[in-house]
Amino acid sequence: DTAVSQTPKYLVTQMGNDKSIKCEQNLGHDTMYWYKQDSKKFLKIMFSYNNKELIINETVPNRFSPKSPDKAHLNLHINSLELGDSAVYFCASSHGQGVAGAGRETQYFGPGTRLLVL
Amino acid sequence: KNEVEQSPQNLTAQEGEFITINCSYSVGISALHWLQQHPGGGIVSLFMLSSGKKKHGRLIATINIQEKHSSLHITASHPRDSAVYICAVNGGGADGLTFGKGTHLIIQP
Repeated sequence: DTAVSQTPKYLVTQMGNDKSIKCEQNLGHDTMYWYKQDSKKFLKIMFSYNNKELIINETVPNRFSPKSPDKAHLNLHINSLELGDSAVYFCASSHGQGVAGAGRETQYFGPGTRLLVL
Repeated sequence: KNEVEQSPQNLTAQEGEFITINCSYSVGISALHWLQQHPGGGIVSLFMLSSGKKKHGRLIATINIQEKHSSLHITASHPRDSAVYICAVNGGGADGLTFGKGTHLIIQP
């Protein structure tokens, strides 16, 4: 069984479109994250959620909106896609609880979603 | 904001060599993570450290909190160790992870 899964694995779309990436974890973890890896392979945190509540929201354009229907899912919606949004997006989870736990637990990563905006 | 520096950026070695990758950071942290990203793109967490030393198989990670420095060592390196190794730190609270730029390691047979 896959611990952290993401769909789709690849996403090719036109500028201006709206798209979603889904993430699910079956580890029973309390905290989930979205990371962006740019063309130079540099990783940066975008969001983290704990028990469906937003903990971290880095300086990400408000075109990006995470949604957590339950603590096992954290989906990423992107509106009005731009060329610069092309990247690999990784979902991750950790057991950590609350603000103090964020980032201080082993993180389990999904396989990544490769987004290409044309 | 924490600055995370890794060295070297690229490293090519022969099978069997002892490998060391270094990571330094600028501001006190609550935890440091070593991650491995394979050519296929998947990311695996190798270690999470807040003090001392951890060992898993041929991998050893150490951290010196006073010097704000960590090292990842690979003993008896093997071509399957070829990957990008990424250091990341957490300052505690709601800071999240700050990542280094990674070290691209190639082990030649």
